[in-house]
Amino acid sequence: QVQLQESGPGLVKPSQTLSLTCTVSGGSLTSAEHYWTWVRQPPGKGLEWIGYIYYTGSTYYSPSLNGRVAISVDTSKNQFSLNLTSATAADTAVYYCARLNVVVAAASYFDSWGQGALVTVSS
Amino acid sequence: SYVLTQTPSVSVSPGQTASITCFGDNLGEKYVSWSKQAPGQSPVLVIYEDAKRPSGIPERISGSNSGNTATLTISGAQALDEADYYCQVWDSSYVIFGGGTKLTVL
Repeated sequence: QVQLQESGPGLVKPSQTLSLTCTVSGGSLTSAEHYWTWVRQPPGKGLEWIGYIYYTGSTYYSPSLNGRVAISVDTSKNQFSLNLTSATAADTAVYYCARLNVVVAAASYFDSWGQGALVTVSS
Repeated sequence: SYVLTQTPSVSVSPGQTASITCFGDNLGEKYVSWSKQAPGQSPVLVIYEDAKRPSGIPERISGSNSGNTATLTISGAQALDEADYYCQVWDSSYVIFGGGTKLTVL
């Protein structure tokens, strides 16, 4: 059973870069059937897709983040990471890493989630 | 960009049937998944590919998708079903979530 665990600072100052890492156990980041994804949830609000990375390094990001996001992967450590630049209070949220099953891309679905990490952007 | 619309809240009496809907343009041409998020918890997949249940999800939870509407149906609602439910699709390599529906069992 795959497990995902987020880690990183819980407090980030405005204009700085928000950085999180997701460690995957019980599964491989080199799986051809999965995209490794970041999703966030502002307090009291719904889920927002941030982006995903494939083990080859190819990435897709939500256009709503206006080019501030970068996701990278380290297959040797079985980790993938999120960097979100120029953070503002609007980026305060619980950040989840999750595994997206893409055996059939058009039928993709999230089959595993991390427990989530609250990141607050405040001075 | 593609938009999924969900009714913000639905109430159901214990033992009755709850229907949670997700609307999108020609949604029936896409595959829809549903995730359940209990208070303070991470989301959990309950339906994928419109109507398939992952192992461990009871048969009283079912899904359908046709036209512009996908529906998650919970039969014999129980207190443990009280949660937020999100629909999700894949559109041109992007992941799209609905806004979520809060199901109250009372």
